[in-house]
Order: sequence, then C-alpha cells, then structure tokens
Amino acid sequence: SQTIHQWPATLVQPVGSPLSLECTVEGTSNPNLYWYRQAAGRGLQLLFYSVGIGQISSEVPQNLSASRPQDRQFILSSKKLLLSDSGFYLCAWSLAGTANTEAFFGQGTRLTVV
Amino acid sequence: GENVEQHPSTLSVQEGDSAVIKCTYSDSASNYFPWYKQELGKRPQLIIDIRSNVGEKKDQRIAVTLNKTAKHFSLHITETQPEDSAVYFCAASRNSGYSTLTFGKGTMLLVSP
Repeated sequence: SQTIHQWPATLVQPVGSPLSLECTVEGTSNPNLYWYRQAAGRGLQLLFYSVGIGQISSEVPQNLSASRPQDRQFILSSKKLLLSDSGFYLCAWSLAGTANTEAFFGQGTRLTVV
Repeated sequence: GENVEQHPSTLSVQEGDSAVIKCTYSDSASNYFPWYKQELGKRPQLIIDIRSNVGEKKDQRIAVTLNKTAKHFSLHITETQPEDSAVYFCAASRNSGYSTLTFGKGTMLLVSP
C-alpha cells in the first residue's frame, strides 16, 4: 500500500532563517506531488505541484521554492522566512497519468515563524 | 483560474439533525468535485467525491449533489453524530493529468450531543 511521510511535524523558526520541509511517498511510482498551505481559519492553498523529477510548477508567487530531486521526494524550501509564512503545510500525492483522482495528504507540518 | 466558494463557514447542529454545506465554482471546465474531512490537527481525508457525469452520489449517511448548470455542489450529512464534528472542505478540478484541486475555505461543523 502507498504511504506518505512528511516531517517535521512541528517547527518554530525565527524570521529570516531558512526552511526545509521534506515529503516522501512509498508504494507508488511517478506520483504527482503537491505542497499546500493552510493558514489559520482558511482553506487549503496550492503552492507547488510536480508531475515528475525536476518538474515544478508554482501556483502562488512567494519566497518559497520546491524541488523534486528524486521520483518520490518533494522538498519545500525558503532562504529567508517571513512572519506570514506561518501555517500548516501539507504535502500530498495523487496517481500520475489519471485525471481527477483522490489526493492523499501527509500528516502536515505546523510552522510558526517568530 | 478556478475559484471555489464555500458556505457556511461554521455550522452547529444537534445530534441527529441533518447538515448541508454548499459550494460554488467558477470554471465550467471543472468536472471532479471531492469533499474532504479534516479533524483537529489531522490531515484532510476524502469522504466522498462526484464527477460531472452524475448528479448525485450517496454513501450511507453522506450524499453529494451536483448542479453543473448552476455550478454548485452540496454535501448532505444525515443523522449527524458528535464524531462528524470536523472541518469539511469542498474542492474542484479540471480533467487533466494531475488533480490540482482548488479548495473552498472550509466549514467547521459542530455536532452537539
């Protein structure tokens, strides 16, 4: 069966510090991968998605970036965090090559920028 | 791009009552509409979805209806129970090779015993 791992679960970082959140998927090949952010009291906002190694599409301009160095690894990064980057970050995957299928979410990372 | 509006933002019901959450979407090309349930501090999980070739789908106490002409879809929960308390998200996506879901802002459902 497929599983998705996301870490860390919680993170407190000072303003201006770098960020690296990692997500890995097991049990499937060439998944579509996504990073979503959920601000307090708000919905899920798509930040990045990837349909293959090295292929990253950005939905929202910001000081975050994403990379996919391996087929089942998706990394969210920032060189300098802002207070507004605080939120709940969720990695997700879906089956590749199929339209409109369920997205499976990781456990999430609660990021607090202080 | 797609825009999904969800109402209400909070909904309080008594155990045993029905709950209805409504969403509208803007992109007429969208044809996949999932609903996710997110319990406090946990990940969103799919509870039901509907595709544009059907108008209604039911799974035990949960049902979803879709009106493509009006571009709105609704989640119906009957005989609500306290464990139904959670945040519910609707979403929409186009028929493409990846499901970049556009989510509504969520509805916090509180079911009182």
